[in-house]
Amino acid sequence: DQQVKQNSPSLSVQEGRISILNCDYTNSMFDYFLWYKKYPAEGPTFLISISSIKDKNEDGRFTVFLNKSAKHLSLHIVPSQPGDSAVYFCAASAESGGGADGLTFGKGTHLIIQP
Amino acid sequence: NAGVTQTPKFRILKIGQSMTLQCAQDMNHNYMYWYRQDPGMGLKLIYYSVGAGITDKGEVPNGYNVSRSTTEDFPLRLELAAPSQTSVYFCASSALGGQAFFGQGTRLTVV
Repeated sequence: DQQVKQNSPSLSVQEGRISILNCDYTNSMFDYFLWYKKYPAEGPTFLISISSIKDKNEDGRFTVFLNKSAKHLSLHIVPSQPGDSAVYFCAASAESGGGADGLTFGKGTHLIIQP
Repeated sequence: NAGVTQTPKFRILKIGQSMTLQCAQDMNHNYMYWYRQDPGMGLKLIYYSVGAGITDKGEVPNGYNVSRSTTEDFPLRLELAAPSQTSVYFCASSALGGQAFFGQGTRLTVV
C-alpha cells in the first residue's frame, strides 16, 4: 500500500513554461515533505521541503504547496529550464527534518523539458 | 566536500555469494540510511541508524544486515545474494532536523 503517490510517471513541458508536479499521501502522521531531484546514475539531491505548519515554501524558481486537508502537495517550477529534466521524487516523514526512521518516497515523475 | 561516499559503484554477484556495500559520510551526521530503488519504483528503506551502535530495520530488511561501529561508516551486508536483490542501492545521512544527503549509488546485479 503506497503511502506516497505520484500518479504521473512522466510529464513533458516546454522550456520557459510552468512545470507542476503532484504528490498525494495517505498517512496522516506525515508532517514533513521533501522533493528530491535525480539525474541518471546519480543519487537524489534535495530540492525543497515544507513543514506541515506551512502551506507554501518558495526557493527561487521552485515553490512547494501543501494542502493538508486534501493530503496533497505540488511542486511548481517557473520558468522551466532544460537542466530541470530529471526524475522528481516526493518524500514524506513523520518527524520534522527527515525523521530518525527515514523517508517514504513516491515512485517519481520523469520531467522532460522540451526546447 | 565529499559528503556521502559509496563503494563500489557497480557489482555483479552470483547467486549465493556475499558482499558488503560500503558507505561513509564526512558531515558528522548521526542518522544514516540504506535504501534500494528498483526500476520504475521509489526508494525503499532497508535499514537505518540513529547513531553509532544503534541500527533498526526499515521497510525491506530481509536478506540484509548492517552495522554502525563509527559515526562515519554504515556498511550494508548481503549474505546470500538472490536475483531479487538486483537493484540500485543508495546510502544517505542526515543531521537532526535536516534533509537527507545521498551517495551516488551502487548498481548491483545478481545472476
